[in-house]
Amino acid sequence: DVQLVESGGGLVQPGGSLRLSCAASGFTLGNYWMTWVRQAPGKGPEWVANIKGDGSKIYYADSVQGRFTISRDNAQNSLYLQISSLRAEDTAMYYCARDTSPHLGGLWYDAFDVWGQGTMVTVSS
Amino acid sequence: AIQMTQSPSSLSASVGDRVTITCRASQDIRSEVGWYQQRPGKAPELLIYATSSFQSGVPSRFSGSGSGTDFTLTISSLQSEDFATYYCLQDYNYPRTFGQGTKVEI
Repeated sequence: DVQLVESGGGLVQPGGSLRLSCAASGFTLGNYWMTWVRQAPGKGPEWVANIKGDGSKIYYADSVQGRFTISRDNAQNSLYLQISSLRAEDTAMYYCARDTSPHLGGLWYDAFDVWGQGTMVTVSS
Repeated sequence: AIQMTQSPSSLSASVGDRVTITCRASQDIRSEVGWYQQRPGKAPELLIYATSSFQSGVPSRFSGSGSGTDFTLTISSLQSEDFATYYCLQDYNYPRTFGQGTKVEI
């Protein structure tokens, strides 16, 4: 079965750091763009970052640029999100998602077809 | 960043009703919109990408339309399992941005 499993969340003090992991199984991770999406309690999802299959392209949301680092190890079938300089507003469930990147009519699209169950990050003193 | 404004923010409907949710982009985004369904305590699930292309396994009662700045998700005959929150997501440029969501309630 195709599956994503996140881990690494927890309670951290403001200014602290965590490394989130996303373990992929059932497919070849290197063939896909991968994305992190977070969702604060009671709020809608927020796109955080994505990374191309070979790691050659990376994009971040303005709210995390310079504080978060997305990376991947295709040999280990794993995606990572290093989150640093944490603030209370970073408190959220963090999801990883696979992007099938369909190509239609000359355009590439996003399509997040597989999601993990999420890992909760709580920033509080 | 492109703003995606969904309406309504919530709606009440009954099984069998036709439901329409709209999403307006703050600029022309061609056809680069997807729609996701989220049930409480679960991750979002992909319904539609590229405005109107179905994700495999999505029931045919879901459909998407639009172009430019105005997009619509339609559920032709609401079923009990469709009571959830729906989000649009633009993938025209970075950063990607979601709409604020539409909660479909009984």
